[in-house]
Amino acid sequence: GENVEQHPSTLSVQEGDSAVIKCTYSDSASNYFPWYKQELGKRPQLIIDIRSNVGEKKDQRIAVTLNKTAKHFSLHITETQPEDSAVYFCAARSGKLTFGTGTRLTIIP
Amino acid sequence: DAGITQSPRHKVTETGTPVTLRCHQTENHRYMYWYRQDPGHGLRLIHYSYGVKDTDKGEVSDGYSVSRSKTEDFLLTLESATSSQTSVYFCAISEEGSTEAFFGQGTRLTVV
Repeated sequence: GENVEQHPSTLSVQEGDSAVIKCTYSDSASNYFPWYKQELGKRPQLIIDIRSNVGEKKDQRIAVTLNKTAKHFSLHITETQPEDSAVYFCAARSGKLTFGTGTRLTIIP
Repeated sequence: DAGITQSPRHKVTETGTPVTLRCHQTENHRYMYWYRQDPGHGLRLIHYSYGVKDTDKGEVSDGYSVSRSKTEDFLLTLESATSSQTSVYFCAISEEGSTEAFFGQGTRLTVV
């Protein structure tokens, strides 16, 4: 089955700097790669996603890149703000949806 | 928010007792999932369903069973609860293909 690895597990960045979270997947049949943000005590919510026929997607300060050959994809957050502090999960879908182990992002004011 | 409701929201139960968690959706989505969330392990898939009476195992299915007799309901049963099943359980729904999955509010289960 699919295996998704996510790094780093924790990340601290100064407010205004950029943050990058990386994931790898194992199943070449996976064709959908969403990223979720989970604030403390709340449910995960989708922030951006990318499909296998696209290499990059951007939405304001958030961007995701996908390298299908290498089976890895990354989340980039620019101009970080305190409200970006949360746990972020990557996922890959090949039928079922498999998640990475999460990255706790802390923005230092 | 997508129409997805989990019940109960909180439960404390004793070791060895059976427990059933319910996920109810009003979106008519084909896929339904049960995940457990534990510190350091992220969201781990327990079971999922791709249609009425169609279910499959996830990576941590031992000790759990599921049923889906109607499109809108997906039940997760802990046959004999153990302390290792203390966790936060999330249900999620999605359509087929490359579409967003929506999560329920979560159920905090404590097995004592």
